[in-house]
Amino acid sequence: NAGVTQTPKFRVLKTGQSMTLLCAQDMNHEYMYWYRQDPGMGLRLIHYSVGEGTTAKGEVPDGYNVSRLKKQNFLLGLESAAPSQTSVYFCASSYPPRSNTGELFFGEGSRLTVL
Amino acid sequence: AQSVTQLGSHVSVSEGALVLLRCNYSSSVPPYLFWYVQYPNQGLQLLLKYTSAATLVKGINGFEAEFKKSETSFHLTKPSAHMSDAAEYFCAVSLAFSGNTGKLIFGQGTTLQVKP
Repeated sequence: NAGVTQTPKFRVLKTGQSMTLLCAQDMNHEYMYWYRQDPGMGLRLIHYSVGEGTTAKGEVPDGYNVSRLKKQNFLLGLESAAPSQTSVYFCASSYPPRSNTGELFFGEGSRLTVL
Repeated sequence: AQSVTQLGSHVSVSEGALVLLRCNYSSSVPPYLFWYVQYPNQGLQLLLKYTSAATLVKGINGFEAEFKKSETSFHLTKPSAHMSDAAEYFCAVSLAFSGNTGKLIFGQGTTLQVKP
């Protein structure tokens, strides 16, 4: 059982380059989330999705775009990377709150460095 | 609005000593509360959760936490630290009603160091 899988796990970009992080979950979860983790700041929500074809902004959405074309996949895109986007990115998924108590299941993270 | 504050970004204990990691929350509606653990270069793993049932919650690896509404706290404890407990710990809150988006609001994290 793979759970939540993120690719790639490591990436180095130059300022201005674009890239996409892929998150895939095999638990049939409806809800998916992208967080970023920075030292001393915990995890901050970038974007989230409550179902296929839907996305919404989180706490720190600027500079990122997302898409949820398939229920099992949630893509995070950086159109023009900036050094401030150097971070560790975590994808998470869950069942809807009405059917569970809100536990999120996390991937192992993607470490992005923007030079 | 919801928020979580973890008191102390670094906590150091000796092996066998009591572990106490502090978490205070702010929420305008009844919350669900969580503790997650992150080992180096790994994702977050759920330790335990409070979902409005028993106020004393037991989790994995001997950890437990007590929900105290009057103090808006959800502190994490373990009677005897083990070297393998060294990790970063996150407290998180979400809204306890149906129809919410399931978002978790995380604290800043506390790094636990266990000395031999």
